[in-house]
Amino acid sequence: NAGVTQTPKFRILKIGQSMTLQCAQDMNHNYMYWYRQDPGMGLKLIYYSVGAGITDKGEVPNGYNVSRSTTEDFPLRLELAAPSQTSVYFCASSLPPRTRYTEAFFGQGTRLTVV
Amino acid sequence: GQQLNQSPQSMFIQEGEDVSMNCTSSSIFNTWLWYKQDPGEGPVLLIALYKAGELTSNGRLTAQFGITRKDSFLNISASIPSDVGIYFCAGRGNTDKLIFGTGTRLQVFP
Repeated sequence: NAGVTQTPKFRILKIGQSMTLQCAQDMNHNYMYWYRQDPGMGLKLIYYSVGAGITDKGEVPNGYNVSRSTTEDFPLRLELAAPSQTSVYFCASSLPPRTRYTEAFFGQGTRLTVV
Repeated sequence: GQQLNQSPQSMFIQEGEDVSMNCTSSSIFNTWLWYKQDPGEGPVLLIALYKAGELTSNGRLTAQFGITRKDSFLNISASIPSDVGIYFCAGRGNTDKLIFGTGTRLQVFP
């Protein structure tokens, strides 16, 4: 059981480049989340999705886009990379909040550097 | 919006000591989760709390869902070197967002 899989693990981008961070889960979870973690800091919610076709902004959505065409996948898109987007990005998934076991499970992260 | 304040920011303790940390929210939460993060890894769930007043243990770890639903506590008893890491609280209120605290960095000295 793979859980939450993120690719790539590491990436260096030049300013202005674009890229897509991939996230896939095999637990049939409706809810998926994208967080960023700056050095020495906590996790900030970028975007989340409550099901295929439904996405919503989190705390820090500017500079990012998401889509959710399937239950399994939740890619995060950076259109014009900026140095401020240098961070570690974590994807997570969970069952809906009103179920009993609604804890979120995390991927291993994507470490992104924008130079 | 919802905010989580976690304290202390860091702790330096000796092996064998007990540890306490807490999180407070600006609004009522329906779920409290406690995670541990090791360097270079994603957060790993330690304890999940779903009901006000709930007290749950996982080995040497004990967490409580505050009666006011605006706070939660995590205690670690008899700390060992592998307890080193960053501990995060996370919570969900009446929205679908899962919000994280700022983390408590724990260092255990032998």
